[in-house]
Order: sequence, then structure tokens, then C-alpha cells
Amino acid sequence: GAVVSQHPSWVICKSGTSVKIECRSLDFQATTMFWYRQFPKQSLMLMATSNEGSKATYEQGVEKDKFLINHASLTLSTLTVTSAHPEDSSFYICRVAGGGTDTQYFGPGTRLTVL
Amino acid sequence: QKEVEQNSGPLSVPEGAIASLNCTYSDRVSQSFFWYRQYSGKSPELIMSIYSNGDKEDGRFTAQLNKASQYVSLLIRDSQPSDSATYLCAVRVTGGGNKLTFGTGTQLKVEL
Repeated sequence: GAVVSQHPSWVICKSGTSVKIECRSLDFQATTMFWYRQFPKQSLMLMATSNEGSKATYEQGVEKDKFLINHASLTLSTLTVTSAHPEDSSFYICRVAGGGTDTQYFGPGTRLTVL
Repeated sequence: QKEVEQNSGPLSVPEGAIASLNCTYSDRVSQSFFWYRQYSGKSPELIMSIYSNGDKEDGRFTAQLNKASQYVSLLIRDSQPSDSATYLCAVRVTGGGNKLTFGTGTQLKVEL
């Protein structure tokens, strides 16, 4: 069965609204969670890294006030896109890691469309 | 220079042939290397990981690593149409924790 889940799998929202995406680790304790964004025909772009119980570390150019990340437990991290605009429309994917160098899994992704 | 480089393709091979995908990286302290397969509209799935110089085989897949030349490759034997996807190379550097740097991916098309 799936090790990592994301919810919702897709969402359509109006410009200016906020959207929360959940990433859940189902079978193991994820000490670190990574959030990526992928535009069509482009590669994964790392947005931020979050460790359980600490503030997320954002990559250069990613606005931390716009993309709020919360990693409150070893099984759940959330990404909130605040005041979403059409240019935020993308495929958002989480990756969880923990317990060893090869213990890492991608979530199934969330397709966000902002009208 | 990009940290991890791949030819974007598309790479077209006939069914049953060997597909060869290449990746070069710039950081000499890179320690772990991964190949992911990504179907359109889906998230990446791990195919192979390799840590030491040489070849590592898993079924129809063989990963090859040459740290001196800073390249890693993926060979797919007996290519099938279901192998048609984008293949992402990812690198983890020493001291980087679980952070991976991804290449832009190579699109593979296996034709009947």
C-alpha cells in the first residue's frame, strides 16, 4: 500500500484564496519532509525542507510568507499556499525521509489550479 | 553550470532495444545517486540507487557510476512501451542530509 499520501489530489480555487495541502507518512516516522513544485515539462524544484518540530528551511527565491509549512508531527506536514494566484498553479509534491539513507518516498502529488 | 545535467530528449528507442540515459553532476562531494521514473501527471518513483563506482543491476535496469568522470547512467534492457516516461537523475551530497538535487529529466519514448 501507499507509504505517503497527499490530500487533496487536485484542487481548483479562485485567485486570492488560500489552499492547504497535507502530506502524511503512513507507515513510518518521517523526520524530514521536502516540498517540491513542478511546472509542466520541467523538473522538480525544491521549495523547502521541514524537520519535525522546527521551522522550515526555504530555498532561495521561495517566499516563506506565501508558502507556509508546518511539520507538527512525524507523520504530517502541511503546505499552505496563501493568496494563491494563477502563477501558483502547479504540481506540488512532498517527499518524506527518515530512518536511513534509502528510506525516502514521494507523495502522489497535488495538482493546484488557480483561476 | 547546472549541478545535475541531463539531456532532455526525447530519446526514442525501438521496443526490445537498450535505452541508455546519462547524467553528469558538478559537485565532487556527491555521495549517493538515484534514478527516478516519472510518468506524466504522476509523482516520481525510485528505480535505482547507487553509491559506489561500477555497475549495479536490478532486473532490466543497470545503473553505472563513474565518480572520477562525474557521471551516472541508467541502462534499460529489452525496453518496453511501458518504460516510456521521464527519467530523473538525483544526487545527494555529503553532509546534505536527505536533500536531493534533481536533473531536469530525460524523456524516453519506446516505440512499437
